[in-house]
Amino acid sequence: ETGVTQSPTHLIKTRGQQVTLRCSSQSGHNTVSWYQQALGQGPQFIFQYYREEENGRGNFPPRFSGLQFPNYSSELNVNALELDDSALYLCASSSNTNSYNEQFFGPGTRLTVL
Amino acid sequence: GDSVTQMEGPVTLSEEAFLTINCTYTATGYPSLFWYVQYPGEGLQLLLKATKADDKGSNKGFEATYRKETTSFHLEKGSVQVSDSAVYFCALLYGNNRLAFGKGNQVVVIP
Repeated sequence: ETGVTQSPTHLIKTRGQQVTLRCSSQSGHNTVSWYQQALGQGPQFIFQYYREEENGRGNFPPRFSGLQFPNYSSELNVNALELDDSALYLCASSSNTNSYNEQFFGPGTRLTVL
Repeated sequence: GDSVTQMEGPVTLSEEAFLTINCTYTATGYPSLFWYVQYPGEGLQLLLKATKADDKGSNKGFEATYRKETTSFHLEKGSVQVSDSAVYFCALLYGNNRLAFGKGNQVVVIP
């Protein structure tokens, strides 16, 4: 069984640019959640996708957007990058057949905005 | 909104010492509670969980008990090892399958 994978591992961008991060969910999982983890902080919920539809969103501006594909993999897009967007971006996959929906996390993408 | 508070600051202790990391929560109802661990350069791994009041989660020598009267879920381990050095996050499940995390505690175990 393949776990959650994310790409790229690291990324450096400049202010104002756009970035796309990718996540492949664990086999059999139909839900992907994205979290932002700033340095020294706990992860913050960005949004969740279930069966290709956004299924809830945290307190993040619209320039954070996402997609989920028929194979349940997902993308996180961030437009007009700001310095404060520098963080570790984590995706987690889960299955709604699990009674408490355990989320399995990928290793993350480290984004640096200069 | 639903939230988790962890004790401030890193924790440094000697091998075989007793570890406690405090976690309290604020929530409507009785959410499922979790401890996650993050090793250097890795993503989050679920360490243990409790889904209802008075449940005790345990794994790899770590334990935490869901206390609704004190709204707490403190993590404990009786004898830590150097390999336990990591960042530990307390979290609760709210809304539609979303996790709210505490700020995390860096644990450093010295040989």
